[in-house]
Amino acid sequence: EPEVTQTPSHQVTQMGQEVILRCVPISNHLYFYWYRQILGQKVEFLVSFYNNEISEKSEIFDDQFSVERPDGSNFTLKIRSTKLEDSAMYFCASSRKGPIFGGEAFFGQGTRLTVV
Amino acid sequence: AQSVTQPDIHITVSEGASLELRCNYSYGATPYLFWYVQSPGQGLQLLLKYFSGDTLVQGIKGFEAEFKRSQSSFNLRKPSVHWSDAAEYFCAVGAGDDMRFGAGTRLTVKP
Repeated sequence: EPEVTQTPSHQVTQMGQEVILRCVPISNHLYFYWYRQILGQKVEFLVSFYNNEISEKSEIFDDQFSVERPDGSNFTLKIRSTKLEDSAMYFCASSRKGPIFGGEAFFGQGTRLTVV
Repeated sequence: AQSVTQPDIHITVSEGASLELRCNYSYGATPYLFWYVQSPGQGLQLLLKYFSGDTLVQGIKGFEAEFKRSQSSFNLRKPSVHWSDAAEYFCAVGAGDDMRFGAGTRLTVKP
């Protein structure tokens, strides 16, 4: 069964450092998403990506964040200068259709980011 | 903008008992509604979804949900809970190109 894969599963970084979280979405999917979940809190939408550009982003997704689809298979989230409050579980998701068309999002297992 | 409210932060039920998890949404148009489950240390798995048509939706693992437009609700139900159902449950509403999640309800199952 196809699945979304995320690497690494756990990343520890020093405050102020740049991190790149990697995701390989399901191959025939067209919509890609990043969500984060701070420990014990709700899952929060960060950004959606379609047709090689950001289609929507939340207020959390500020200038420190960027996304890229560098090739036909990877979808990355970059945090330029990490802060302690960026520590969270980051989930990548993909769907064949957008939510407005009833597209079901498939989620990866997540990358736990710890900023020290 | 769309939003989702899950009024119950934590629910405890006995194994074999019935379960209902509440979800209320706010959205100006016809919503697309989802229930996801997150087991400890795992990602999110889709249980079921509602787009249109029959307001009672069947999902995996014996779960069902009923869409009630008049109450802006999409409650998740299961007639008999199993110990393996202990997890965090998230209701979500899809609109535009994003999906917004509720705060989640943690389900504990007593033996």
